[in-house]
Formats: sequence, C-alpha cells, structure tokens
Amino acid sequence: AQKITQTQPGMFVQEKEAVTLDCTYDTSDPSYGLFWYKQPSSGEMIFLIYQGSYDQQNATEGRYSLNFQKARKSANLVISASQLGDSAMYFCAMREAHTNAGGTSYGKLTFGQGTILTVHP
Amino acid sequence: DADVTQTPRNRITKTGKRIMLECSQTKGHDRMYWYRQDPGLGLRLIYYSFDVKDINKGEISDGYSVSRQAQAKFSLSLESAIPNQTALYFCATSGEVGQPQHFGDGTRLSIL
Repeated sequence: AQKITQTQPGMFVQEKEAVTLDCTYDTSDPSYGLFWYKQPSSGEMIFLIYQGSYDQQNATEGRYSLNFQKARKSANLVISASQLGDSAMYFCAMREAHTNAGGTSYGKLTFGQGTILTVHP
Repeated sequence: DADVTQTPRNRITKTGKRIMLECSQTKGHDRMYWYRQDPGLGLRLIYYSFDVKDINKGEISDGYSVSRQAQAKFSLSLESAIPNQTALYFCATSGEVGQPQHFGDGTRLSIL
C-alpha cells in the first residue's frame, strides 16, 4: 500500500483564490511528521510547512496552512490568496523514525507523487 | 552561498561510464541523504548517512555507492552508468530526527 498518496495530479486556481492540495498517509507508527515541499520549474525543493503527529494545532506558515485530520490520516495543504509564483509541483512527505543496526536514529521521508499547481491570472 | 551545494548541476554521459555526484553542506548537520526523482514517482531514497562510519541503504540502492568523506561531504557514485539511471538527483541534510530535510538544488543526470 502507498504510504503517501496525492490524488490530484494537477490543480488549477485563480490568482488571489485559496486552493487545497490533498494528501493522505498510512502509518502504524504513533510518532511521525508530515511535510510539504514546493518544487518550482527550476527544480529545487523548498520546505514549506511541517506538522508533527502529536501537535495539537494545525501548522501555519504565512499563506500556507496544513489541515491535519489525524483520524482520517490526511494532511492537506491550504494556500490562501494564491499568487502566480505559487505555480509549481507540490510534494507531501511523511517522516517516520527509523533506527539502524548501529542505534542511530533517522527520519526517513517517503514522498507522494506530487501535484502540479497552476495559478491563472 | 547555498547551505547544501551539489556539483555538477547538469551532466550528460554515456552508458558504462563512472559518474560521481558531490554534495557539501555548511549547515553542520550530521544526517545526509541522496534521493533520485523520476517523473510521476516523487523522490526515492538511495542512501543515507549519519557520519563517515554510518552508511545505510535506502529503497533503491542497487547500482549506486556512496562515500561520506567528512561530516560536510557526501558523494554518490554510479560505477557503470545505465540509461535508466537518468534522473534528477538530490542531496539533503537534516539535524535532529524531527527537523525538516534541507535539499540542494539537484543534479540533472542524463545517460545516453
């Protein structure tokens, strides 16, 4: 089963409108984290927002907010007041804690397939 | 200057050649990662490392090797490149487990 699912290959939004990008996840680990990254056409990966599984409130960062519904295992990204520069690929990722044979802890990220957002003027 | 620097940014090479992609960071992070990105597949983990003695395979390590020369340097090698290794490759770093990973700008690799 997919650990991270982004069901919207592409989304369109009018400038200044809000848009929601969907993300569902699957894990049995009680401690995990959810991230959203933006990838513009130039290719770099830009960290947008983070939500921890134990966080009581939904994360917000400027125009970005994360609608975290733990029981539904969803972590949708909401972008308010869309701008032309928001046009990009958006990835949802889940971090699960992993400890290797040597006892070192890592946060391993699993990425969704991404959603291409196009903002129209 | 970028915190996570990848070199080269673009590379075109032929099947069978040995390729090395380099990553250096100034963030002081212990954990470093190599990913590849293919259209429609998101990013997939190749290798990850905590320090020069701690190297771990990710989900798609076959055909790749890595070297952690120092805390700040983590290189990825393709010993004998093949066309299906054509992809966008990212290096990333992170501090503690709960912190976000910070990515370099990527290396676009084409194998003919």
